[in-house]
Amino acid sequence: DGGITQSPKYLFRKEGQNVTLSCEQNLNHDAMYWYRQDPGQGLRLIYYSQIVNDFQKGDIAEGYSVSREKKESFPLTVTSAQKNPTAFYLCASSIGELRGAGSAQHFGDGTRLSIL
Amino acid sequence: KNEVEQSPQNLTAQEGEFITINCSYSVGISALHWLQQHPGGGIVSLFMLSSGKKKHGRLIATINIQEKHSSLHITASHPRDSAVYICAVITSGTYKYIFGTGTRLKVLA
Repeated sequence: DGGITQSPKYLFRKEGQNVTLSCEQNLNHDAMYWYRQDPGQGLRLIYYSQIVNDFQKGDIAEGYSVSREKKESFPLTVTSAQKNPTAFYLCASSIGELRGAGSAQHFGDGTRLSIL
Repeated sequence: KNEVEQSPQNLTAQEGEFITINCSYSVGISALHWLQQHPGGGIVSLFMLSSGKKKHGRLIATINIQEKHSSLHITASHPRDSAVYICAVITSGTYKYIFGTGTRLKVLA
């Protein structure tokens, strides 16, 4: 079955460490997205990518970095510069604007990141 | 004021009750997406609609573009419907998602 796989499900970070969250999709989607979810708030966009080797900052990109070397993969690194990284992180993908503007996003099961 | 507002924030119902969750938005949209988030955190797509009404099983979604309002109805609710329901709009022109804060539904047996 096609879908989005995020790993790990739970992740713990020590102060000063960088950690990388994995997101893989086999839906043949061009576009991929990273969101952060905090209690009582809607999902907020961190980074998105419409095509391989290209990505743009979202609304809350500070302290995060991404890469898009393969169509299927869009890893997110939470750097030590992110002062409040404890949150639930969701990856999503869509056909993308290049093939169909406003297409529905499909979501993974998320990674919960906590600070030790 | 948030661009996408959902009400109520929390809802507790008895099994079998008819449930309505509301979503109002203040931006121009190309479509609206209803999502369900399970207790484990994963998000599932329910409906994407840009006009009228859609139905799937016990779920019905409606949208009124002129009034900038959408509703999600659940008929004959069941404890397995307990989840957070999220309304998201896809903005016209930029095609970005803006999410509501969600409605937490608990259905008691």
